[in-house]
Amino acid sequence: QVQLVESGGGVVQPGRSLRLSCGASGITFSSYGIHWVRQAPGKGLEWVAVISYDGNNKYYADSVKGRFTISRDNSKNTLYLQMNSLRAEDTAVYYCAKDRDIAAAAYYFDYWGQGTLVTVSS
Amino acid sequence: EIVLTQSPATLSLSPGERATLSCRASQSVRSYLAWYQQKPGQAPRLLIYDASNRATGIPARFSGSGSGTDFTLTISSLEPEDFAVYYCQQRSDWPRITFGQGTRLEIK
Repeated sequence: QVQLVESGGGVVQPGRSLRLSCGASGITFSSYGIHWVRQAPGKGLEWVAVISYDGNNKYYADSVKGRFTISRDNSKNTLYLQMNSLRAEDTAVYYCAKDRDIAAAAYYFDYWGQGTLVTVSS
Repeated sequence: EIVLTQSPATLSLSPGERATLSCRASQSVRSYLAWYQQKPGQAPRLLIYDASNRATGIPARFSGSGSGTDFTLTISSLEPEDFAVYYCQQRSDWPRITFGQGTRLEIK
């Protein structure tokens, strides 16, 4: 079955960096766009970024543009999120989520990981 | 940015009752709307996409309707496992994806 497993979360000081990973199994990873979606404690969902199946197209929410970088290694079935210049408002559970459609992005999320918590605090 | 407003914020119902959840968009999203269910401590689960299409494995008691700016998620007869938070999400304005603030469905 499809499994997405995030890792790399933790406590980090404001202004510092962190890299999240998302390992995938049970799918042809290289055929799907993958997203990052976050959820601040007790709050709703916020879409963060997407990378196309081949890594050639990347889009970001305005709130993270210029600070976060999404990437993937299809040979390792792994997605990454490099987060720089972290702020308190980046504190959230970060989920990786598979796009519903093969190849072309549908921007619907049909499989999610369990999430990894990032806490930005001094 | 397209703002999605969900109502009510909290809905209190009993098992077996019918639930009707609303999502209103600040501008037309055509039929590009999805619904997700989230239980405490769990990731969201896709229920409905393109306003009215059930995702794989979703029971028939869940249905979606609407287009343009007004959408509805209906649960025809509530089961105990349906009590959760529900979010709508639009993809019409991609990549500026937005979610509603959620409706909490609680047991009365």
